Amino acid sequence: DAGVIQSPRHEVTEMGQEVTLRCKPISGHNSLFWYRQTMMRGLELLIYFNNNVPIDDSGMPEDRFSAKMPNASFSTLKIQPSEPRDSAVYFCASSLELAGRTQYFGPGTRLLVL
Amino acid sequence: TQLLEQSPQFLSIQEGENLTVYCNSSSVFSSLQWYRQEPGEGPVLLVTVVTGGEVKKLKRLTFQFGDARKDSSLHITAAQPGDTGLYLCAGMYAGGTSYGKLTFGQGTILTVHP
Repeated sequence: DAGVIQSPRHEVTEMGQEVTLRCKPISGHNSLFWYRQTMMRGLELLIYFNNNVPIDDSGMPEDRFSAKMPNASFSTLKIQPSEPRDSAVYFCASSLELAGRTQYFGPGTRLLVL
Repeated sequence: TQLLEQSPQFLSIQEGENLTVYCNSSSVFSSLQWYRQEPGEGPVLLVTVVTGGEVKKLKRLTFQFGDARKDSSLHITAAQPGDTGLYLCAGMYAGGTSYGKLTFGQGTILTVHP
């Protein structure tokens, strides 16, 4: 069975450029979560969706960050314009239901903004 | 803001030794989870504890949930090099605006030397 799929796995870009990260959740899961992981701040929840609807985006750091979930099998996290402090590993996770006991994480996208 | 304090941050031990990792909060959890993360991968769920005082065992790993559901511990007996990784605790707080959200501790980087 395919797990959570994220692309790209690695992204190197220059400051000011737009970055789009993609996620395909596990089929049948109706909740999707975007996290960011850095050494300094650990794993932080950015935003999560239930049935394609954003439930809580209080973790999104700034207006430069936006996320969409146009359908049950696809979500994007966009950073525009990107800054060096956005460099981190971004994880997408999905679960069967909103308060589901298990969140399944993708392999992450390692973003480096120069 | 609900905080999860995890300690120690780093642990370097020899094969065969025992260790304990702690996770504490001032708030009550509806459930608490422990994840393990290896380099280049996303966190993988090890266990979920729900009931105060609950103890769960996974081979050489023992997980305990505090009676008041505010703290948890992970104990590893006779650690092996294969146990090396980042261990994360994550709490789901009951109700309100936190519904469905997992808050992660900072993590414990465990290195087991042969």
